Amino acid sequence: DAKTTQPTSMDCAEGRAANLPCNHSTISGNEYVYWYRQIHSQGPQYIIHGLKNNETNEMASLIITEDRKSSTLILPHATLRDTAVYYCIVRVTGTASKLTFGTGTRLQVTL
Amino acid sequence: GAVVSQHPSWVICKSGTSVKIECRSLDFQATTMFWYRQFPKQSLMLMATSNEGSKATYEQGVEKDKFLINHASLTLSTLTVTSAHPEDSSFYICSAHRTGENTEAFFGQGTRLTVV
Repeated sequence: DAKTTQPTSMDCAEGRAANLPCNHSTISGNEYVYWYRQIHSQGPQYIIHGLKNNETNEMASLIITEDRKSSTLILPHATLRDTAVYYCIVRVTGTASKLTFGTGTRLQVTL
Repeated sequence: GAVVSQHPSWVICKSGTSVKIECRSLDFQATTMFWYRQFPKQSLMLMATSNEGSKATYEQGVEKDKFLINHASLTLSTLTVTSAHPEDSSFYICSAHRTGENTEAFFGQGTRLTVV
């Protein structure tokens, strides 16, 4: 699986949009971009994934650059409960392939 | 979304004893489940891939005789830490995918193991 690079930490004011970047310059054509987050002492939670088109769901939006070498996860209105470590993962298509977690971005949402 | 349940959420055991952790997919079938370990302030590290009806596949450096994995049904995988030592104290997390689908992984809430 391709390696990803994320900033170690970010801060965001409550109510503002949180934009979390991820570089995956060696991504292959059949690899999806997945985002998960892990709140302290809990298991990771799926957020969103995409291949090349931008995606949006009730939790977040995912913007993937045209060359697919980077992406941005957007939390439109961050709340204190969004404080967590956010992991950007790329993985090949196919059934039940394993996830390789990097160090992620620790997002701190403040009042 | 799909639910994956781990039991217990936390356990304290004495050195030399064995501990079993269960991972259940509550509302879907999972041919494959994964077991991860996470030490404080570190990321998740994959330990092994659990396949229903066959032997687990272990990552390099993970002792298969120490971390016994059984995946006897499409909804249950167990991880047994045998002869536990304090250095085995960690946060153990399982994940599962719906059988036949290339979708997101669903994670359990994790099990905090403390060996004293």
